[in-house]
Amino acid sequence: SQQGEEDPQALSIQEGENATMNCSYKTSINNLQWYRQNSGRGLVHLILIRSNEREKHSGRLRVTLDTSKKSSSLLITASRAADTASYFCATESNDYKLSFGAGTTVTVRA
Amino acid sequence: GAGVSQSPSNKVTEKGKDVELRCDPISGHTALYWYRQSLGQGLEFLIYFQGNSAPDKSGLPSDRFSAERTGGSVSTLTIQRTQQEDSAVYLCASRAIAGRTDTQYFGPGTRLTVL
Repeated sequence: SQQGEEDPQALSIQEGENATMNCSYKTSINNLQWYRQNSGRGLVHLILIRSNEREKHSGRLRVTLDTSKKSSSLLITASRAADTASYFCATESNDYKLSFGAGTTVTVRA
Repeated sequence: GAGVSQSPSNKVTEKGKDVELRCDPISGHTALYWYRQSLGQGLEFLIYFQGNSAPDKSGLPSDRFSAERTGGSVSTLTIQRTQQEDSAVYLCASRAIAGRTDTQYFGPGTRLTVL
């Protein structure tokens, strides 16, 4: 069953703008991960944040985690056309399996 | 190889036929996962192998689905008597060591279409 839910379902922005998407989940987790998927095929791992971490950065990506609210956000700064993709959050609990949300489709307009 | 590979990349079959999907994980990775992604949806967990332990089959949707992992490496997902609702992209992932916060590396997937 899917634990994560992303919001919004779709996002369209101009190149150079920031894109923010949110993920909510239901049960306690060990970590939360964000993935990118282009053209409905392979997933690319973007960033992992552990349950005892609150914020993490990787290049133009910033992820926050609020375990009290069971939510996470992914910020992409200075977006580029190549950032156009679907973005998924996935939570991992003690069962070592990832539970994915339905994703946010991001379109970056040139 | 450098990453997880899957074959075939596309498979079209007729309803009622059996299909086999193959996954070659990254060499040395002890954990292997199968997921299914229906159109416009997130990934749905199917099955998980870790070393020589019994696999976690809790995500398999019916007894028509089975998977095996030979020699702790290559895995085959078999779907018997395929139905149209089995149409999806089937993704495989491997991980160095389960139980740690290591990344799961995904293959490119097999797109299955059941006519």
